[in-house]
Amino acid sequence: SQELEQSPQSLIVQEGKNLTINCTSSKTLYGLYWYKQKYGEGLIFLMMLQKGGEEKSHEKITAKLDEKKQQSSLHITASQPSHAGIYLCGADDQGAQKLVFGQGTRLTINP
Amino acid sequence: EPEVTQTPSHQVTQMGQEVILRCVPISNHLYFYWYRQILGQKVEFLVSFYNNEISEKSEIFDDQFSVERPDGSNFTLKIRSTKLEDSAMYFCASSVRGVPYNEQFFGPGTRLTVL
Repeated sequence: SQELEQSPQSLIVQEGKNLTINCTSSKTLYGLYWYKQKYGEGLIFLMMLQKGGEEKSHEKITAKLDEKKQQSSLHITASQPSHAGIYLCGADDQGAQKLVFGQGTRLTINP
Repeated sequence: EPEVTQTPSHQVTQMGQEVILRCVPISNHLYFYWYRQILGQKVEFLVSFYNNEISEKSEIFDDQFSVERPDGSNFTLKIRSTKLEDSAMYFCASSVRGVPYNEQFFGPGTRLTVL
């Protein structure tokens, strides 16, 4: 089945700095989803990508799916304390009615 | 904005006891899911449900687990005889359509602690 690997596993950045989180798949991606999770809470849907080369933005967060559809990146511009949390990438699993997830990237924003 | 709700937020139970976790999916959604996350580990799929039937289930979802949609709004996960290793955060999710390209919306989770 699909396996997703995220990097880095944790990230500490100064407020106002830009950052990038990567998600690499073992197989071609169909739907790729980014979620944000605050510690001990539910997953908040951020964006879905489906086409190679697709890029979507929401406020200061931009996500992109590469042309080969095996890697996605999430970029945050001018980070703020509200961006702190765990970012998870998820993917459709080869037509099965489920998502598989990466292990998450824990983002800390220092003031 | 519509959201998935789950009750209880925390559940503490003794090993061997039955627990029922409850979820109210978003009202116009047709596909329902349970996932779990053991502390420090990945979010893992348990089961998907559509048209009053299980669509997909993982190896974790053995005979001790069952799901039900008892009425038009609730979606439940039952664990018949809990084990210590069932301690986890359980998330319910729902979507308008099935895969691929379906946005699944998650509830806040139920933290289950088995003693």
